[in-house]
Amino acid sequence: SQQGEEDPQALSIQEGENATMNCSYKTSINNLQWYRQNSGRGLVHLILIRSNEREKHSGRLRVTLDTSKKSSSLLITASRAADTASYFCATRVGNQFYFGTGTSLTVIP
Amino acid sequence: EAQVTQNPRYLITVTGKKLTVTCSQNMNHEYMSWYRQDPGLGLRQIYYSMNVEVTDKGDVPEGYKVSRKEKRNFPLILESPSPNQTSLYFCASGRQAATGELFFGEGSRLTVL
Repeated sequence: SQQGEEDPQALSIQEGENATMNCSYKTSINNLQWYRQNSGRGLVHLILIRSNEREKHSGRLRVTLDTSKKSSSLLITASRAADTASYFCATRVGNQFYFGTGTSLTVIP
Repeated sequence: EAQVTQNPRYLITVTGKKLTVTCSQNMNHEYMSWYRQDPGLGLRQIYYSMNVEVTDKGDVPEGYKVSRKEKRNFPLILESPSPNQTSLYFCASGRQAATGELFFGEGSRLTVL
């Protein structure tokens, strides 16, 4: 399977702290994306990083990509209770998208 | 408002009774796809379509059919549902696979008894 794997599976932090989650994948990719899913809802796109990029920022989000290690990380700074959700990485290989199993983030007010 | 609309949102059915989950997008996207989400397994791609009349299998196509007769619609058909198809289903669309970003529907929770 080309599915990505997120780590950790679950993460619980206090409001204001930073949250870091990691994603590893198995094959060469065109790009890697991060999505957020609130409980029982559809996924929402957060950020995309191309295979020739190493780091990207969007608001409180920072994504890194290391293609030599086939890994990516998502950092959410100054977390808020509203950031509580599941976060998925997704890799595009050809015309298919492969999603990981997700990191469940709980931000405690 | 740009959106992907799935119907029904919730459905309980019985083994063998054919059903269709509809998906419609209003963003003129070429790319559409279906996923199922199961605990511990993440999202797995069932079928995808690059454009009208062009469909292809994803990782778990067994037991499903799709069609793409119009650009905006991409229905998922379960000809003879079985209990192992009980799952949460998501439809997604994107401009083209090359741009990457997918827009997801709100999901359809299907239970097959």
